[in-house]
Amino acid sequence: GAVVSQHPSWVICKSGTSVKIECRSLDFQATTMFWYRQFPKQSLMLMATSNEGSKATYEQGVEKDKFLINHASLTLSTLTVTSAHPEDSSFYICSAKTGTIYEQYFGPGTRLTVT
Amino acid sequence: QQQVKQSPQSLIVQKGGISIINCAYENTAFDYFPWYQQFPGKGPALLIAIRPDVSEKKEGRFTISFNKSAKQFSLHIMDSQPGDSATYFCAARPNNDMRFGAGTRLTVKP
Repeated sequence: GAVVSQHPSWVICKSGTSVKIECRSLDFQATTMFWYRQFPKQSLMLMATSNEGSKATYEQGVEKDKFLINHASLTLSTLTVTSAHPEDSSFYICSAKTGTIYEQYFGPGTRLTVT
Repeated sequence: QQQVKQSPQSLIVQKGGISIINCAYENTAFDYFPWYQQFPGKGPALLIAIRPDVSEKKEGRFTISFNKSAKQFSLHIMDSQPGDSATYFCAARPNNDMRFGAGTRLTVKP
């Protein structure tokens, strides 16, 4: 149980275009979803937290107009990187939790390369 | 954002040996301390977790030791195997989200 999927697993896009990454909880209802960014050989940095049906809460320094997060249902959250630039190239990982339980379940990640 | 300090940055252990990774935190509001294992190109997977009202938790070859007064916790991997070679992250939960340590790259030599 507690499986989280991400799509796509990797994507290459041109500078200036937008790309959407999906995060789905497959066997539970995700009341809260998180988006992380991870650069090579570095730790996970929380970008934003979203609760189903509410606006996402962004961490300090994360541009909310650039990284659009939508948590429209209890099983789906999307991250859209708008007007992507090479410096946005990174590994994006989502996680999900339900209710008040502590555990977060992580997706397999999406490798974004902006050329 | 780094509120959890993790050491060492890298660790090399012989097969069958004990791997020990340490973490320290400052925020006394943290109430949940998980350890994650991450293989290259994959998302982190929960290994084991502990609450601050417990000083030790063991699951198979993995043990968390927790010292509330020192605000430190550690992961011990007994009988380390080459398949354990991965990056390990400690984390701590302040409210609803998770704060991660910098990670430890573990290599277990056969």
